[in-house]
Amino acid sequence: AQTVTQSQPEMSVQEAETVTLSCTYDTSESDYYLFWYKQPPSRQMILVIRQEAYKQQNATENRFSVNFQKAAKSFSLKISDSQLGDAAMYFCAYRSGTGNQFYFGTGTSLTVIP
Amino acid sequence: KAGVTQTPRYLIKTRGQQVTLSCSPISGHRSVSWYQQTPGQGLQFLFEYFSETQRNKGNFPGRFSGRQFSNSRSEMNVSTLELGDSALYLCASSLDPRTSGYQETQYFGPGTRLLVL
Repeated sequence: AQTVTQSQPEMSVQEAETVTLSCTYDTSESDYYLFWYKQPPSRQMILVIRQEAYKQQNATENRFSVNFQKAAKSFSLKISDSQLGDAAMYFCAYRSGTGNQFYFGTGTSLTVIP
Repeated sequence: KAGVTQTPRYLIKTRGQQVTLSCSPISGHRSVSWYQQTPGQGLQFLFEYFSETQRNKGNFPGRFSGRQFSNSRSEMNVSTLELGDSALYLCASSLDPRTSGYQETQYFGPGTRLLVL
């Protein structure tokens, strides 16, 4: 089975600064998709950004971007100009290109310091 | 379009009891997945239902079961509750990736927080 590892249980960042959350995964597949989800305190989990493994270009969504290193099986999330509303638990997830099951990491709790 | 809804939002049960959680997916979504979320463990996949059939199953004991109805609503049941079953149970719905593509995300409900005493 695929595994997803988030080695940073907690991170903090000053408001307006940049922070990078790490994620590595293990797979023998060549076709897959990677996702970052955000779970604010007591609120629903929402998609932040996604990356198709076949695309070399890193995905970006406004202040959120990824550094996708396929050979290293690394998928980090960079948050620029951090805002108080970015404080949340962030989960990295993997999905095979042939199945509906998602595999999640254990999450990184991000604190934004005013 | 209404989001994924889960009921109840909070539950307190005692060991040995059973519990049923409900999930209503986004209209048009026929795939429903269930996850158990605990601190330090992240999201652990329980099972996925599609068109009333269990399509995938995680590594949980048989005390955990589910079903899906013809309107895509899903229920999960936990029998003989144990203290370790205390968790946030999340439901997520999605379109069928076989037709919509595997880049499609899952949409999560707010969860049911279960406390077993």
